[in-house]
Amino acid sequence: AQTVTQSQPEMSVQEAETVTLSCTYDTSESDYYLFWYKQPPSRQMILVIRQEAYKQQNATENRFSVNFQKAAKSFSLKISDSQLGDAAMYFCAYRRYGNKLVFGAGTILRVKS
Amino acid sequence: NAGVTQTPKFRILKIGQSMTLQCTQDMNHNYMYWYRQDPGMGLKLIYYSVGAGITDKGEVPNGYNVSRSTTEDFPLRLELAAPSQTSVYFCASSQSGTADGYTFGSGTRLTVV
Repeated sequence: AQTVTQSQPEMSVQEAETVTLSCTYDTSESDYYLFWYKQPPSRQMILVIRQEAYKQQNATENRFSVNFQKAAKSFSLKISDSQLGDAAMYFCAYRRYGNKLVFGAGTILRVKS
Repeated sequence: NAGVTQTPKFRILKIGQSMTLQCTQDMNHNYMYWYRQDPGMGLKLIYYSVGAGITDKGEVPNGYNVSRSTTEDFPLRLELAAPSQTSVYFCASSQSGTADGYTFGSGTRLTVV
């Protein structure tokens, strides 16, 4: 069974600084998708960024980028120029084609002004 | 476009009562899912469906039932509520086999007392 591990229960970052959230996963598949979701206090789950395993290039969405290391089964999220609105719980998730998402336990990100 | 709609948003149940959490989506997605999120934790899959008339158990199905009579609706039934079912429940949907991740509802906060 696939598992997703987020080893940082909580992280803090100063406003305007950069922070990296870690995620590792376990799979024997070669073709799959990886996601980062943001859950603010409103509870709404918001897709931040996704990565297709067959693509070598790391995905980027504005201030959010990933460092995807397929051989190491690592998928970290980098948030640049952190803003107060980035404060949330962040979930890493894995999905094999056509299958269901498996979530990590989450990392709480606190942003200090 | 409403996306995924969950009702109710909040509910308090007494031990032993039953209720149905409603979920409907208007995106013609084949796949639908129910997750629960316990405080400070990740999401655990309760049940999922790959199409009308087809449902299957997830990671934590005990105490719940589902049905999928139409593509749009995927209600979750709680029978004989227990305090262990106090949680936030999320419904989600996705196109089968796509890289788009899920579209989530806004969640239902359920307290069993």
